[in-house]
Amino acid sequence: GQQLNQSPQSMFIQEGEDVSMNCTSSSIFNTWLWYKQDPGEGPVLLIALYKAGELTSNGRLTAQFGITRKDSFLNISASIPSDVGIYFCAGPNAGGTSYGKLTFGQGTILTVHP
Amino acid sequence: DTGVSQNPRHKITKRGQNVTFRCDPISEHNRLYWYRQTLGQGPEFLTYFQNEAQLEKSRLLSDRFSAERPKGSFSTLEIQRTEQGDSAMYLCASSRGRQGGNEQFFGPGTRLTVL
Repeated sequence: GQQLNQSPQSMFIQEGEDVSMNCTSSSIFNTWLWYKQDPGEGPVLLIALYKAGELTSNGRLTAQFGITRKDSFLNISASIPSDVGIYFCAGPNAGGTSYGKLTFGQGTILTVHP
Repeated sequence: DTGVSQNPRHKITKRGQNVTFRCDPISEHNRLYWYRQTLGQGPEFLTYFQNEAQLEKSRLLSDRFSAERPKGSFSTLEIQRTEQGDSAMYLCASSRGRQGGNEQFFGPGTRLTVL
């Protein structure tokens, strides 16, 4: 089955620093989604990307859909303590009968020191 | 838009007991998904519905698991004869289907602990 690899697995940063994380796949995705999950809660959708090369922002968050359609990047600028959590990339299969089913990466754990 | 809700939020049960979870999707969403998440992992797909039709089931969904969405609104996930390996967070998500692209919105989850 499809797999998504996220890196880094964890990050420890100081408040105010910028953060960058990425997600790669062995196969093509036609959509990339980025979620944030707080402990004991469900994932919250941050950004959705639909076109190769697309760059989309949501406040301090910026995400890009890689040209090869096999990777995506998420950047957080000027981090604040509430950015702490686990960030997941996800995407549906590009074809076949699995439209709508999402495959998730293993997550990047972000810790922000005040 | 009240979001996806799930009940209960936590369930502790003894091995061998049956448990049932409920998910209420966002009202105009016609697709509903169930995922399972264990510690340190991303959510893993279990099954999904378009309206009342169950369209796909993962191989993770053993015969002890059954999901229903009888009227195309809320859904239930039942686990029979629970095992310790069933301990996990069970997440429900909903989407508009093709109209909403692939954007899925998740509920808060039900944390299951099997003793």
